[in-house]
Amino acid sequence: EAEVAQSPRYKITEKSQAVAFWCDPISGHATLYWYRQILGQGPELLVQFQDESVVDDSQLPKDRFSAERLKGVDSTLKIQPAELGDSAMYLCASSPGGGQTYEQYFGPGTRLTVT
Amino acid sequence: AQSVTQPDIHITVSEGASLELRCNYSYGATPYLFWYVQSPGQGLQLLLKYFSGDTLVQGIKGFEAEFKRSQSSFNLRKPSVHWSDAAEYFCAVVNTGGFKTIFGAGTRLFVKA
Repeated sequence: EAEVAQSPRYKITEKSQAVAFWCDPISGHATLYWYRQILGQGPELLVQFQDESVVDDSQLPKDRFSAERLKGVDSTLKIQPAELGDSAMYLCASSPGGGQTYEQYFGPGTRLTVT
Repeated sequence: AQSVTQPDIHITVSEGASLELRCNYSYGATPYLFWYVQSPGQGLQLLLKYFSGDTLVQGIKGFEAEFKRSQSSFNLRKPSVHWSDAAEYFCAVVNTGGFKTIFGAGTRLFVKA
């Protein structure tokens, strides 16, 4: 069964350092999502791509976060500089898109700890 | 703005007992509704979804959910809980106009022997 891949699974970094997370969606899925999940809360959308275009990044802290999906396949989420409050689980998800279904397939996530 | 409320932060159920997790949503039109499950340290897995039609939907792992428009609810049920069901459960609604998914805060399920 196809899965969404994410790396690394765990990342510990010091504040003010740069970190990057990678996501490879299920093959053929046009829509890719990055979520942040703080412990004890539901996922919060950071950015949504349709192919290589950003369709929603209203909750992305653009002064320090960036995301790209250059060829409309895999994606990278970057934080620079990291802050203590960025400690969270970062989830990537994908869906076929096309308006026919909204169900999302999630990767295992990257647990970020900022010290 | 649409929202999802899961009133119970955590629930404890004995193994073999029935389960109901509550979900209420706020949305003007008929929403697309989902339940996801998350095991510790893992991503979310889709349990079931409601788009239209029969208001009682069946999902994986023996779960079902019922859409009640009059109550703006989409509660998740299971007749007999297994220890492996211990996890966090998230209800979600999709804004069919904006294609944005809103998740509830989650309900943590504990299963006792």
